[in-house]
Amino acid sequence: NAGVTQTPKFQVLKTGQSMTLQCAQDMNHNSMYWYRQDPGMGLRLIYYSASEGTTDKGEVPNGYNVSRLNKREFSLRLESAAPSQTSVYFCASSQGSPADTQYFGPGTRLTVL
Amino acid sequence: RKEVEQDPGPFNVPEGATVAFNCTYSNSASQSFFWYRQDCRKEPKLLMSVYSSGNEDGRFTAQLNRASQYISLLIRDSKLSDSATYLCVVKSGGSYIPTFGRGTSLIVHP
Repeated sequence: NAGVTQTPKFQVLKTGQSMTLQCAQDMNHNSMYWYRQDPGMGLRLIYYSASEGTTDKGEVPNGYNVSRLNKREFSLRLESAAPSQTSVYFCASSQGSPADTQYFGPGTRLTVL
Repeated sequence: RKEVEQDPGPFNVPEGATVAFNCTYSNSASQSFFWYRQDCRKEPKLLMSVYSSGNEDGRFTAQLNRASQYISLLIRDSKLSDSATYLCVVKSGGSYIPTFGRGTSLIVHP
């Protein structure tokens, strides 16, 4: 039982390049989330998926797209990376009820030059 | 005003000390409350949920004050291994989308 896994762990991009961050969970959770964490800013929600087949914007969606590929997998795509997207990206999952807790992946450290 | 506010610290305490963190929230409809712990360069992990009657888990005690809209975390007999950032998390009624505070940094020194 791996929990939430993310790939890659580290990535360096040049401005304008694209990439996809992968996330998978093996806990049969309904909801999945993508956050970014910057120094002094805390965790900010980029996109979330309440259930398979649905996605919604969070607090900071600009510059990102997501795909809920199936119940297990939720990917985050940067179409044209910008230096402002340098951050640590965390994927999380939860059952999807108000009282439940989130489980986080180990994060992807992305640098955009 | 941010939805969830925490004192960023750092709180710098000696081993064995008792330390308390507060977190205030602005949405009076909030129903679910949690404390997460995040170690340096690691992912956040659930420390404990916060129940209306308050709850305790070993050296950790969490309290909820709905009237004043804050939650607290008390750590007794601090250990070096307690050094981390503590995140306050609030969910509003009926929502599964949590709102995270920016975290409070704790440093426990020998």
